[in-house]
Parts: sequence; C-alpha cells; structure tokens
Amino acid sequence: QLQLQESGPGLVKPSETLSLTCTVSGGSISSGSYYWGWIRQPPGKGLEWIGNIFYGGSSYYNPSLRSRVTISGDTSKSQFSLRLSSVTAADTAVYYCARHYTSGWIDSWGQGTLVTVSS
Amino acid sequence: EIVMTQSPGTLSVSPGERVTLSCRASQSVRSNLAWYQQKPGQAPRLLFYGASTRATGIPGRFSGSGSGTEFTLTISSLQSEDFAVYYCQQYNNWPPLTFGGGTKVEIK
Repeated sequence: QLQLQESGPGLVKPSETLSLTCTVSGGSISSGSYYWGWIRQPPGKGLEWIGNIFYGGSSYYNPSLRSRVTISGDTSKSQFSLRLSSVTAADTAVYYCARHYTSGWIDSWGQGTLVTVSS
Repeated sequence: EIVMTQSPGTLSVSPGERVTLSCRASQSVRSNLAWYQQKPGQAPRLLFYGASTRATGIPGRFSGSGSGTEFTLTISSLQSEDFAVYYCQQYNNWPPLTFGGGTKVEIK
C-alpha cells in the first residue's frame, strides 16, 4: 500500500527558504505512470497546487510560484523534495505531498505538515 | 489559467437527504475533472476522476456527472461520515492544476 510522509521544519523565518521532503513507501517514484508533487492549504482556506515532477525529467510548476519553487527527487532514497524561497507569512500553510496520475488527478496524499512562516 | 467555481459555499443538510454540489469551469475542461472529500485535520481523498468514474472504495451513494464547464457531485442519501468539504479540480489544461474553492457540507 502506497504511503507518503512529509518531513521538515514546522517554522521558517520570513525571507528564508522552506524545505520539505516526502518519503514514499509501497511504491516507486521512478514509475513512468505517475507524477510526484506538492499541494498546499493555508489555514481555513482551499487547496493550491504547487507543482510536480516526472521521472523522465519533466517538472511543472504553478506560474504563481514558479520563480520561487524547485521540486527535485532522489530515487535511491525514494524521496522527493520541495524548496520554496523568499517565504512570507502568506506561505504559511499545510503542505501535502501527493501522487498524481499523468493525466493530472491526485490519487494518494500524505497526511500533510503545517509550516508556519514567522520570525 | 482555468478558474473553478463551486457553489454553494456551505450547504446545511440533514442525514438522509439528497445533496447536490456544483462546480463550474471558466472554460471547457471536457471530462477532465476530479472530486475530493476532505474531513477536518485530514488530507483530501479522491472521490471521482473523469468526472464520473468512482475511485476505489467510494460508496455507490456518491455519483459524479457533467462535462465541458458544468459538473455535479451528488450524494443520494447523506450519511454522518459524509459531512466534509468537497473540492473539484480540473486537469484538462495544466499547469497549473486548479481547484475550486470548496463546498462545506454541514449538519443542519
């Protein structure tokens, strides 16, 4: 059974870089059938797609965040990571890692991790 | 970017009632639409993809319909475990993948 688990700091200072890792078990992130990505949800608000990667080398980002986001992967550790630079309080959210079918729907989610941006 | 609009924002219903949730796309997404259910403190759960294909383990009281710009999620007889927030998401034209703002189904 596929499981995804986010890890990383729960508190990040303004202007610094948010870094999270998703560890995948029960499945291979080098599968050609899926993308692996990140979605966030500010407290009490809706879902915002951040981006995803595919192990053919492609990556896709939300244009609203593209200049600040990098998603990368490490197949040897079955992990993929999110880096979001120059964070502000508006980046405070629960961050979910997730598996996307290549078409684009999302069939598996991590439990989510709250990241607060505050000094 | 395709904008997804859900209505109503909140729906107050009694257990056993039939519930209809709407999702509208700013341009055609054909049938490339998914629905998710999210309960407090939990990650979203996939209900439907392809507008009407039920995901694994989703009860038959849930149904999805629509194509183009207008979509509907119906719960034929609301159970206590169905009180949650429901989101639609288009995947016809991405990036970005875009979600609706959600409909909260609460107990009347």
